Formats: sequence, structure tokens, C-alpha cells
Amino acid sequence: GEDVEQSLFLSVREGDSSVINCTYTDSSSTYLYWYKQEPGAGLQLLTYIFSNMDMKQDQRLTVLLNKKDKHLSLRIADTQTGDSAIYFCAHLRDSSYKLIFGSGTRLLVRP
Amino acid sequence: GAVVSQHPSRVICKSGTSVKIECRSLDFQATTMFWYRQFPKQSLMLMATSNEGSKATYEQGVEKDKFLINHASLTLSTLTVTSAHPEDSSFYICSASPTSSQGEDPYGYTFGSGTRLTVV
Repeated sequence: GEDVEQSLFLSVREGDSSVINCTYTDSSSTYLYWYKQEPGAGLQLLTYIFSNMDMKQDQRLTVLLNKKDKHLSLRIADTQTGDSAIYFCAHLRDSSYKLIFGSGTRLLVRP
Repeated sequence: GAVVSQHPSRVICKSGTSVKIECRSLDFQATTMFWYRQFPKQSLMLMATSNEGSKATYEQGVEKDKFLINHASLTLSTLTVTSAHPEDSSFYICSASPTSSQGEDPYGYTFGSGTRLTVV
């Protein structure tokens, strides 16, 4: 997605925290999402945040939203090897209800 | 939770043949389904929006005659890749949203497990 950008790769050690970043251009989005894709599989919704929120925490996941800078991040605490996957941020294009995805960040968790 | 079943998960076909991929919402009705294509190590590209009972809406650059979409019921959408060629080889994923406001996430988009198409 040309209007949603992510870094392509992140490598962390097991037990450390992972922070995956995303920037977007469409300021009208009401909802922003984080999806996880394991090899050869579809997408699993991890969490979402409403645009009037700054932060949302769900167990090991923390989402931070900076609307001014149009920056979204996903922090995974105590990263495990099972967290190795591709992580996509996405926003809902309200006018059409289409999900627009970023390029995905491949997370590699080293033992 | 909402479940979307996609079949087949993997298909190999000869160049020039057509392949049909099914996307079913198992426990909810979906007026709208979306079809995505994913190239290796790349993001998901939205191909088209499938609307029950009406014509699909295709994204710019997607050939409607090449990728035929049929959404004949509230639980089934099909994508047919016609006269497939090696460049059509890709990972195709569908998603569906409940017609009513259900699901844990806003608009309740649920994704199928994807179909790996290889054209030889």
C-alpha cells in the first residue's frame, strides 16, 4: 500500500520487546489495525485502535497512535519464537470500507 | 467467532486452464467479500470487492475478464482465474465482513487461510 509504510524487517532476541512501526497518510481513517500472518497462512487480527485513542493494551500487545504524526506502533512484550511472522498495519478507508495494508514487517525472533 | 473458509489451499494448474477459488463465510452472512493478491515478500493488494447479488467492483489495473468474481449467495464468493499463466501464480486471500454488526472488531473483517496458485 503506497499510503501505509512499514519497515521490512525486524530481528529481536527471545524475551526482549519488539516494536513495529507504521506510518500512514490518510488522516480520515477511523480504525487502524494490526494483523499477523504466519507462513503460508491467512491474516489473523491481533488488535485494533480507534482513531480517538492514543494507546491500547491487550496482554503482551501495546498499540500507540500518534495522530499528529500519523504514526502507529505495535509493541510486543516478552517476544517469543512463536511471534515470528509478518505483521501488517492497516487502516479502514471509511468511504469504501476497504482495508488498506502496509507492506508488512517480517519479525524474526532469535532464541 | 466469525470463520471464513477458503478452498483450495493449494492448487497447481497448467497454463491456459482456469482455476476457481471459493470463499465461504461459515457462521455468518456476508454481503461483501474482498479478494486480495499477495506476491512473495510483499503486501496484500486489493483486487476487487465482491458484492452479493451484483457485479464486483475491481481495483484499478485488475482485469475483470481475467479474474471473474461471482457472489451468488450471502455465504459464498468465488474467484476464477481464467486462462491462467505463470505470472498469475500468487497467493490469493479473501476476507469477509458480517452483514450485521457482529464480531469483536469493527466491521468484523475475517480472512480466509489463502490459496497458493502455481501455474506451470
